[in-house]
Amino acid sequence: AQSVTQPDIHITVSEGASLELRCNYSYGATPYLFWYVQSPGQGLQLLLKYFSGDTLVQGIKGFEAEFKRSQSSFNLRKPSVHWSDAAEYFCAVGARSGGYQKVTFGTGTKLQVIP
Amino acid sequence: DAGVIQSPRHEVTEMGQEVTLRCKPISGHNSLFWYRQTMMRGLELLIYFNNNVPIDDSGMPEDRFSAKMPNASFSTLKIQPSEPRDSAVYFCASSLKGSGPPYEQYFGPGTRLTVT
Repeated sequence: AQSVTQPDIHITVSEGASLELRCNYSYGATPYLFWYVQSPGQGLQLLLKYFSGDTLVQGIKGFEAEFKRSQSSFNLRKPSVHWSDAAEYFCAVGARSGGYQKVTFGTGTKLQVIP
Repeated sequence: DAGVIQSPRHEVTEMGQEVTLRCKPISGHNSLFWYRQTMMRGLELLIYFNNNVPIDDSGMPEDRFSAKMPNASFSTLKIQPSEPRDSAVYFCASSLKGSGPPYEQYFGPGTRLTVT
């Protein structure tokens, strides 16, 4: 079965600073990887996804993530954080299991942005 | 499209009462998911439907929880009787299942349930 680990529960960065959120996955085959963002009081929204091909994936809102098979990682990055990026970020791994899709979410990383 | 619609957005009820949460998935999507989110346990998958058929309900906590999908445009999650520990935000999500990789899930705004 697949699993996802987000080692950082809470991260604080200054506005304008760079950001990297860590995600490690466990899955025996080629993983399908996602990053979602949840703003306060809202549902999750997809930022980006990786299925195959180029290991550097671009997403919405200026985010990118890099798939590193050797490290079983899919870290999310942004070169310059804006105050509006304050939210909770979830990494997820998807797989086909028993003929259907199963997506497992990490526990989330809460991002605080300070002026 | 209006996205995934959930109702009510907030529900406050007393212990022992029946609670029904509703979800309308995105038109054309054939997979529907119910999640529960709490501070202690994070985001948990409760049940997953494909083409209106429950595929995996292993996440349903106990018999007090039941979910139905009578047609492609409507699903309910019912808790009877409700308990304070059921207090959480319940999300519905939908996606398009194909023969390829798992597709992105589109989440509704959630229902915040408080059981007193």
